[in-house]
Amino acid sequence: GAVVSQHPSRVICKSGTSVKIECRSLDFQATTMFWYRQFPKKSLMLMATSNEGSKATYEQGVEKDKFLINHASLTLSTLTVTSAHPEDSSFYICSARVSSGVSYNEQFFGPGTRLTVL
Amino acid sequence: QKEVEQNSGPLSVPEGAIASLNCTYSDRVSQSFFWYRQYSGKSPELIMSIYSNGDKEDGRFTAQLNKASQYVSLLIRDSQPSDSATYLCAPEDSNSGYALNFGKGTSLLVTP
Repeated sequence: GAVVSQHPSRVICKSGTSVKIECRSLDFQATTMFWYRQFPKKSLMLMATSNEGSKATYEQGVEKDKFLINHASLTLSTLTVTSAHPEDSSFYICSARVSSGVSYNEQFFGPGTRLTVL
Repeated sequence: QKEVEQNSGPLSVPEGAIASLNCTYSDRVSQSFFWYRQYSGKSPELIMSIYSNGDKEDGRFTAQLNKASQYVSLLIRDSQPSDSATYLCAPEDSNSGYALNFGKGTSLLVTP
């Protein structure tokens, strides 16, 4: 399958700081990428849909000014958690939808970023 | 609200047996369906995609789709202990930017 990377894999930060997470599709182009959050033993929760070159679409209840998403190219989307607080501690996972080729339409997940806010 | 229903399990099967995982969905517009496997503490891994009614086989995995019944299933043949994980059914929502509607997942335990 296609490969999606995420960086960093783990981050610990102090309350009030901002954290940037990168999601890259390594061997395919992705017009659309998605950002999820998952709390322990809970289901994946979609936060936002990111389309290359346009503004992200946020799910209800997700603060767009707190979770800044940028999808500047067909292989890179970033999520910035601004002024992070302990309640933002979670497992953040991105996925990328293949735009063309054999795996067209399939979505592949990055390995996730575990954020801990102290 | 677009519902995706899966039996949360745990579904326990002996090694070498067939594991059968089921999923029903409410969104009649869905055309693309995916099965993911998620190990504890890891991100989901795509196992199968299916778009047409009928069966699709890939190695030990067979996905079955019945759009009229709004039902999709995954069979795992010759189950191995390494198959123990949570299996997520995910119809694609073409009306919502192609986001996936995830079920809560079925926990599968394959016992040696």
